[in-house]
Amino acid sequence: GESVGLHLPTLSVQEGDNSIINCAYSNSASDYFIWYKQESGKGPQFIIDIRSNMDKRQGQRVTVLLNKTVKHLSLQIAATQPGDSAVYFCAESVGGNQFYFGTGTSLTVIP
Amino acid sequence: GAVVSQHPSWVICKSGTSVKIECRSLDFQATTMFWYRQFPKQSLMLMATSNEGSKATYEQGVEKDKFLINHASLTLSTLTVTSAHPEDSSFYICSPTSGDGRFADTQYFGPGTRLTVL
Repeated sequence: GESVGLHLPTLSVQEGDNSIINCAYSNSASDYFIWYKQESGKGPQFIIDIRSNMDKRQGQRVTVLLNKTVKHLSLQIAATQPGDSAVYFCAESVGGNQFYFGTGTSLTVIP
Repeated sequence: GAVVSQHPSWVICKSGTSVKIECRSLDFQATTMFWYRQFPKQSLMLMATSNEGSKATYEQGVEKDKFLINHASLTLSTLTVTSAHPEDSSFYICSPTSGDGRFADTQYFGPGTRLTVL
């Protein structure tokens, strides 16, 4: 059978509210970060990225904040919709080479 | 975005058999391929990195003789799980990059292959 590991942290938000998903990364040398969305049974989908020379980047309905001092990333989703329900991962990289993924957060949007 | 395919999407096999998973980058040349494994409700774990025409580099704790990676062309990489056991049951995901600046800074992922070993 399959291994059973830790369950993902979960976040439930009401449709239309803003969501904030947090991620702590481990390598102070990491200089490139990506947020991914993964729906059940599918591969990850790119949402937004940010380089270490920035502390904020905005996309369509999404904003990523980077705090290098405390090695923390956050993803903000504005006006959360049911289609946003998924697992969200941050990934860190040095120089855009290997990417290492965080634990992930399961977001559930309540209609 | 880049188009990446994996085959098969789901495979069920008996313990002790070997399973080959194919990953194709359909619209760009993948000079580097990453292979990930994901257990239920867990994050993606990088298994190995391969460059076209070179031997793969495996992450610590990943057995290179058990997970054979072939990256013989710029559009195809294969992962073979040899002598599969139930604990190898997982979701295997490939991620190609081209390294030419077009997709170098953005990883694209295949849809994944679910392996179930009985």
